Amino acid sequence: ETGVTQTPRHLVMGMTNKKSLKCEQHLGHNAMYWYKQSAKKPLELMFVYSLEERVENNSVPSRFSPECPNSSHLFLHLHTLQPEDSALYLCASSVRDAAYNEQFFGPGTRLTVL
Amino acid sequence: AQRVTQPEKLLSVFKGAPVELKCNYSYSGSPELFWYVQYSRQRLQLLLRHISRESIKGFTADLNKGETSFHLKKPFAQEEDSAMYYCALRIGSQGNLIFGKGTKLSVKP
Repeated sequence: ETGVTQTPRHLVMGMTNKKSLKCEQHLGHNAMYWYKQSAKKPLELMFVYSLEERVENNSVPSRFSPECPNSSHLFLHLHTLQPEDSALYLCASSVRDAAYNEQFFGPGTRLTVL
Repeated sequence: AQRVTQPEKLLSVFKGAPVELKCNYSYSGSPELFWYVQYSRQRLQLLLRHISRESIKGFTADLNKGETSFHLKKPFAQEEDSAMYYCALRIGSQGNLIFGKGTKLSVKP
């Protein structure tokens, strides 16, 4: 699959579990993003990585821990989540600092926390 | 504070009718605005950006700085236009996007 891929597509976890979401892009982009999409709120930017360095952390609880080992891969490590963390988690990538740059989105991981 | 407002959660029209999806923004800098669309079971994707002044799938959007609006319009809606539409504002030089809550467009036959 080309573009931005995310695995798993669906995840059900208990509050005490540890799991990770994976995102991969094959577009040659140098920036990657994690968003949270829940039913009652707008799409929320969680983290931004530019050239593998975290440049943005929008007051996200520490139970979410991102990792960007290289410009093509992005992880979101999950630990002791709450039921209200259930949402669709979207990954995106772009060319950072390019004027009017387009962000390309993955299909998302639907997370359910029991 | 930067903010994007889409006042309508749901907009329902009949095929062939004109459609306008409203978007207002709040931003002290020079705005860069986008419309993203998410069709059923597909990923979120860019529809158009204001700088391009283009028409995509018959949709256009004009940036009105006086009214701080970037409404999306199409003169004749088609059933395949049914989707979620998100207005987004790019802030700063880093390129972060702020999204509105989205409007679900339903085009009935």
